[in-house]
Amino acid sequence: EVLLVESGGDLVQPGGSLRLSCSASGFIFSSNTMTWVRQAPGKGLEWVAYISSSETTIYYAESVKGRFTISRDNINYSLFLQMNNLRVEDTAVYYCARDMAIGGLNIWGRGTMVTVSS
Amino acid sequence: QMTQSPSSVSASVGDRVTITCRASPGINNWLAWYQQKPGKAPKLLIYSASTLDTGVSSRFSGSGYGTEFTLTITDLQPEDFATYYCQQANTFFAPKFGGGTKVEIK
Repeated sequence: EVLLVESGGDLVQPGGSLRLSCSASGFIFSSNTMTWVRQAPGKGLEWVAYISSSETTIYYAESVKGRFTISRDNINYSLFLQMNNLRVEDTAVYYCARDMAIGGLNIWGRGTMVTVSS
Repeated sequence: QMTQSPSSVSASVGDRVTITCRASPGINNWLAWYQQKPGKAPKLLIYSASTLDTGVSSRFSGSGYGTEFTLTITDLQPEDFATYYCQQANTFFAPKFGGGTKVEIK
């Protein structure tokens, strides 16, 4: 079964840091590009970051550039999102997703909740 | 910029529903559609503007190219009541989602 499972979400104070993980199974992780998407409570979807299969290409949304870092461990089938200098507006459910090369996110995890509040 | 309309629509079982997504600038056919139900992750319905993902009902169809795209749901079923999102799916141009369309029961 193809599966993505996120973890690491928590309550953190503004200015704090958090590292999200996404564990993949059921497909050849090293052959696939991956993406993080977030959704603030009651709001729509926001694309956050993208990483190519070999980490050679990385993109970020303007809203997180310079604060978030996406990375991956192909040996251990894992995707990460290091989030620094967190803001209240970063509060959201964070999803990892498999990115098809022809466009579209065809496998999603169930998400992990990040709450930034004092 | 992805502009999706309407933001909500009320419909009955058996109805036909059309959702529009406009892209600026044009994105060729780099357009995906997703369905999301409350408390669940989004589900890919259509990619490359008109290709149904595996296992998606043929009641869903997508069309369009460049700047204007549509998602059509025919013979609306109870399980289709959800929120739908379009997405500019070309990673080189910072993929963006539309604002979403909530399909509600009339």
